[in-house]
Amino acid sequence: DTEVTQTPKHLVMGMTNKKSLKCEQHMGHRAMYWYKQKAKKPPELMFVYSYEKLSINESVPSRFSPECPNSSLLNLHLHALQPEDSALYLCASSQLRAGGPYEQYFGPGTRLTVT
Amino acid sequence: DQQVKQNSPSLSVQEGRISILNCDYTNSMFDYFLWYKKYPAEGPTFLISISSIKDKNEDGRFTVFLNKSAKHLSLHIVPSQPGDSAVYFCAANYGSGGYQKVTFGTGTKLQVIP
Repeated sequence: DTEVTQTPKHLVMGMTNKKSLKCEQHMGHRAMYWYKQKAKKPPELMFVYSYEKLSINESVPSRFSPECPNSSLLNLHLHALQPEDSALYLCASSQLRAGGPYEQYFGPGTRLTVT
Repeated sequence: DQQVKQNSPSLSVQEGRISILNCDYTNSMFDYFLWYKKYPAEGPTFLISISSIKDKNEDGRFTVFLNKSAKHLSLHIVPSQPGDSAVYFCAANYGSGGYQKVTFGTGTKLQVIP
């Protein structure tokens, strides 16, 4: 199973709402990533988790709160977002051992619209 | 500051011919380079990678060349097929203890014409 799943596929939320994005993989990967992709732009790294611990936060605003409850799950909690946060949010996972880097496996993304 | 650049936003190639996608980078600390393909409404899919200590890596129809002195890499697809039509992202990795800190290029949209 080389699949990364993301739910929901689409999400529309108001600026006062609280919502969560979910990502799941069962490949035994111990590194998981959140990316943000705006239209016609490359994916931009937001967060990296390794062994369920936050390793990289690319100066992301606190209205985005990541969580890695176990080695298969990655969540992104959203609160008080702005319209400019509307984007495709991609989750990815990769192996974590010496001799890398290993390719990342991406989910299909969650298309988020903030109204 | 765009550390990884793909200067051609689009490329059209006839089926059966060679597709050459180019990528330039500025950070000499990058230790691995990867190419991903992305179809609409899907996440990127890994194609091929190359270590900074190599100058060529081949996998079937895909070959990546690295010129470290010029800070340039290219992806060759031979022969090109209509199913190769997608957006191709060059990505550069900065070694970070096992996990990857990857910077993506701006992407090149490849169209293979039957």
